[in-house]
Amino acid sequence: GQNIDQPTEMTATEGAIVQINCTYQTSGFNGLFWYQQHAGEAPTFLSYNVLDGLEEKGRFSSFLSRSKGYSYLLLKELQMKDSASYLCAVVDSNYQLIWGAGTKLIIKP
Amino acid sequence: NAGVTQTPKFRILKIGQSMTLQCTQDMNHNYMYWYRQDPGMGLKLIYYSVGAGITDKGEVPNGYNVSRSTTEDFPLRLELAAPSQTSVYFCASSSSRDQNNSPLHFGNGTRLTVT
Repeated sequence: GQNIDQPTEMTATEGAIVQINCTYQTSGFNGLFWYQQHAGEAPTFLSYNVLDGLEEKGRFSSFLSRSKGYSYLLLKELQMKDSASYLCAVVDSNYQLIWGAGTKLIIKP
Repeated sequence: NAGVTQTPKFRILKIGQSMTLQCTQDMNHNYMYWYRQDPGMGLKLIYYSVGAGITDKGEVPNGYNVSRSTTEDFPLRLELAAPSQTSVYFCASSSSRDQNNSPLHFGNGTRLTVT
């Protein structure tokens, strides 16, 4: 079967750095997405990786290792507004998105 | 641009009732999707469409139906509502199936309770 694993919940301090991991086992791989979802709202796109390495976008960076079936989302200079769930999703060989259950990130002052 | 618009935002149904969740997008996207999101689980694909007149089942299609008569609209029909259909439903669209630099644009969701 296809599987995406993420930690259920993480806590971090305002101003700090946090790394959210995602491991996957899917039938084929055509890219990996990270989405942010605030409570009661729709997911919004954060990043996309299809090649190994680090993609940086301001305070957010996303890393991919296809050989290890592993990605992480790195959030720097955490702000209270970063409190949200972070969803990892992999595009499989049929171009279907397989979603992880999401990681709820709690930011404390 | 309004993006993806879903209605209603909330609905309570009695067991056995039916309803249609509306979804419309103004981005001229060919690909549209219906997902459900349950606590502690990843988004599950119900149905998707690659263009007007074409629909296909996703991972959890039982109890639902869709139609795609226009590029803009992709309504989801629930027949004979059951408590297991209590969930948050998201409609989404994208410009390409390739997904390369073509992320999903989501509507704001419909929170449905079946009692």
